Amino acid sequence: QVQLVQSGAEVKKPGSSVKVSCKASGGTFSNFAITWVRQAPGQGLECVGRIIPIFDIANYAQKFQGRVTITADKSTSTAYMELSSLRSEDTAIYYCARDSTPGGYDPSGGLEYWGQGTLVTVSS
Amino acid sequence: EIVLTQSPATLSLSPGERATLSCRTSQTVSTYLAWYQQKPGQAPRLLIYEASKRATGIPARFSGSGSGTDFTLTISSLEPEDFAVYYCQQRSDWPPLTFGGGTKVEIK
Repeated sequence: QVQLVQSGAEVKKPGSSVKVSCKASGGTFSNFAITWVRQAPGQGLECVGRIIPIFDIANYAQKFQGRVTITADKSTSTAYMELSSLRSEDTAIYYCARDSTPGGYDPSGGLEYWGQGTLVTVSS
Repeated sequence: EIVLTQSPATLSLSPGERATLSCRTSQTVSTYLAWYQQKPGQAPRLLIYEASKRATGIPARFSGSGSGTDFTLTISSLEPEDFAVYYCQQRSDWPPLTFGGGTKVEIK
């Protein structure tokens, strides 16, 4: 059974950075893309970016380009999302989610497995 | 970026009734559309992928249809546990994998 376990809640100052981890167990980590999705309080879902660990290729939503870095450590089956230059609008729950289909380039399937979410609060 | 528009924003129905949720995309996504359910305090759950295929463990009362730019999620007979927020997501063109704004299905 695939499980994604994320790191704990964070409180950050405006202008600082945060790094959230997502450790996978069960299944084959490298073969499946990991997507990071955030949800501001009372709002909908927003895709931050995505990584395909087997190729070490990451892509980011235009909105976050230059501020976000997504990486994956295949040796520990852990994905990371680092967001810099934090502002109050970045306050949100950040989820990692794994694709249902392997490879990373197959548009079929969906985000089948989700982490429990990490609340990032940006406040002075 | 492909924009997804969900309607209605809120659907007020009683248990046992049929729910019909709509998702429209700003450009064609073929059948590369997924639906998710989210309950308060929980992560989203994958319901439907490729527009009409049920994910593992999803009850048969959930069905999806559509292709191109117009999609529908139907819940044939609402159970108490189905009252939640539903999101569609396109997987045809990325980055990013965009989501719709959501439809809240509430108890009437």
